[in-house]
Amino acid sequence: AQSVTQPDIHITVSEGASLELRCNYSYGATPYLFWYVQSPGQGLQLLLKYFSGDTLVQGIKGFEAEFKRSQSSFNLRKPSVHWSDAAEYFCAVANYGGSQGNLIFGKGTKLSVKP
Amino acid sequence: GAGVSQSPSNKVTEKGKDVELRCDPISGHTALYWYRQSLGQGLEFLIYFQGNSAPDKSGLPSDRFSAERTGGSVSTLTIQRTQQEDSAVYLCASSLSSGGQYFGPGTRLLVL
Repeated sequence: AQSVTQPDIHITVSEGASLELRCNYSYGATPYLFWYVQSPGQGLQLLLKYFSGDTLVQGIKGFEAEFKRSQSSFNLRKPSVHWSDAAEYFCAVANYGGSQGNLIFGKGTKLSVKP
Repeated sequence: GAGVSQSPSNKVTEKGKDVELRCDPISGHTALYWYRQSLGQGLEFLIYFQGNSAPDKSGLPSDRFSAERTGGSVSTLTIQRTQQEDSAVYLCASSLSSGGQYFGPGTRLLVL
């Protein structure tokens, strides 16, 4: 069965520092992968998605993610973090391998930003 | 354009009562999903509607949970005989065939 692991429950970075949030997935074929962000009391906002093609995917708010099949990873990165990036981040894989399958989410990584 | 909307935003009910949660997807989106988010269980899939196909109910936790989607648009999630463990945030999402689910703000359900 598909699964997603986000090894870091909580990360703190200084404003202006770079950020990398880790995500590992378990899936036999080419996965459909997503990153979402959730601010306190809000719904989930789609940051970016990977279906196929270029393994480096650009998203909104200056985020990018790189798909590495050999490592079963889809890590999220941002070169310079802003205080407004403080939120919880969820990595997800589409079930059944299709673009419209339900999503299987990781447990999330909470990001805190120090001034 | 308008995003996914959900109502009510908050619902407090007594144990044993039935509740209905509503979701209005983005216009033209063919797929609609319900998820549940709780502290202990994280984000869990509940049910998925795709066009006129039979829904995928594989995530529903018990037969007290049901959902329908009328006219390929609005969906209602019904929880009968609510229990305290049903307390959670219920999230709805919709998508096009190109994928990428767009979520509503959720309904926060508290069962006393």
